[in-house]
Amino acid sequence: ELKVEQNPLFLSMQEGKNYTIYCNYSTTSDRLYWYRQDPGKSLESLFVLLSNGAVKQEGRLMASLDTKARLSTLHITAAVHDLSATYFCAVDVVYNNNDMRFGAGTRLTVKP
Amino acid sequence: DSGVTQTPKHLITATGQRVTLRCSPRSGDLSVYWYQQSLDQGLQFLIQYYNGEERAKGNILERFSAQQFPDLHSELNLSSLELGDSALYFCASSLTSGGNEQYFGPGTRLTVT
Repeated sequence: ELKVEQNPLFLSMQEGKNYTIYCNYSTTSDRLYWYRQDPGKSLESLFVLLSNGAVKQEGRLMASLDTKARLSTLHITAAVHDLSATYFCAVDVVYNNNDMRFGAGTRLTVKP
Repeated sequence: DSGVTQTPKHLITATGQRVTLRCSPRSGDLSVYWYQQSLDQGLQFLIQYYNGEERAKGNILERFSAQQFPDLHSELNLSSLELGDSALYFCASSLTSGGNEQYFGPGTRLTVT
């Protein structure tokens, strides 16, 4: 069964620090998505990664995909309070009828 | 604002009842996805439609069904409701099927009492 595991599940960090969220998945896929969700709100698409070695950056966030290792990372650079949210990765399993599986989410709190 | 609309925003109903959730995708998007978010199950993909046809199926219960109409709006029907069906139901849309950015609607919060 396809599993998508994120770690850490909870992350508290100081403003200005760097950190990485990891997303491991258990089956072949070359489509990985990162989303952000603020409390009580909907999901916002951050990145769509479609090939091995894909790297995308937006502001202080950078996402990468290693399909051979079945690993994606979301790197946060010089965190600011506005980045506090829950971050989800999701895998689109093309070879399993496009089943989409989400990780449990990483709740990030950035403290001043 | 993602451009995806969902109605109603909130729904309170009793066990055993049936409800219909509605979603209108962004203009031009052909795919609609339904998701359920609950505290114990997390975010789960339910089903995807592309241009009126069912495209992918996730963890959707047999009591649940969906369809996408010719004008591309979609409805998710939940029947024989149980307490455990209480959750946030999101709809998302994308331009085509798979590999595209998905735009999420604001969600419908369903409470089953």
